[in-house]
Amino acid sequence: DIQMTQSPFTLSASVGDRVTITCRASESINNWLAWYQQKPGKAPKVLISKASSLERGVPSRFSGSGSGTEFTLTISSLQPDDFATYYCQQYNSYPVHFGQGTKLEIK
Amino acid sequence: QVQLQESGPGLVKPSETLSLTCAVSGGSISSGDYYWSWIRQSPGTGLEWIGYIYYSGNTYYNPSLESRLIMSVDTSKNQFSLSLRSVTAADTAVYYCARESHHAGHYYYYIDVWGKGTTVTVSS
Repeated sequence: DIQMTQSPFTLSASVGDRVTITCRASESINNWLAWYQQKPGKAPKVLISKASSLERGVPSRFSGSGSGTEFTLTISSLQPDDFATYYCQQYNSYPVHFGQGTKLEIK
Repeated sequence: QVQLQESGPGLVKPSETLSLTCAVSGGSISSGDYYWSWIRQSPGTGLEWIGYIYYSGNTYYNPSLESRLIMSVDTSKNQFSLSLRSVTAADTAVYYCARESHHAGHYYYYIDVWGKGTTVTVSS
């Protein structure tokens, strides 16, 4: 199985900040990586697929980059609605695995 | 817009079978473009992908659960189901059904639609 490791576990930031979350795969997954946002009591919502493709309706302040084993999710200017937990997920091979999550908190 | 809705008992006794159904609306489960999946989430283990089923009945199960797991699909009712036998407290989680899609020209599937989730507790 391909394991996913995210960092940091928690991130404290303020509205307007630029933040970056990192995700590492235990082996190459090419660019078959998705990012999800989850708010308390809700299902995850896909933000980005194929490492850098923004899903329809997702604000352009979200961006993804990377390939192989190292990936990043960047939020260019944090908005109040962005405080949530973010997960990466590899879909290069089954069984798919998620990262452990990064909780983005208000500073 | 496709929507998914999980249903099933919220409480299951240890050693019994957990059964959930996912009703699909706004689209046909028989579309050949998608896989239909189950994912669960617990505080201890995070998000865990359980497996998928194709409308034809083909399945892929997470090896960690394969020995206890059966998925089925009912195209006439536009729904699919999960059956997990011999449950323990470790199976307590929020269970999500989901749709997996692929990018045009590629056959790598990611989760693009999620149900709202249903909480299942394993306890006597």
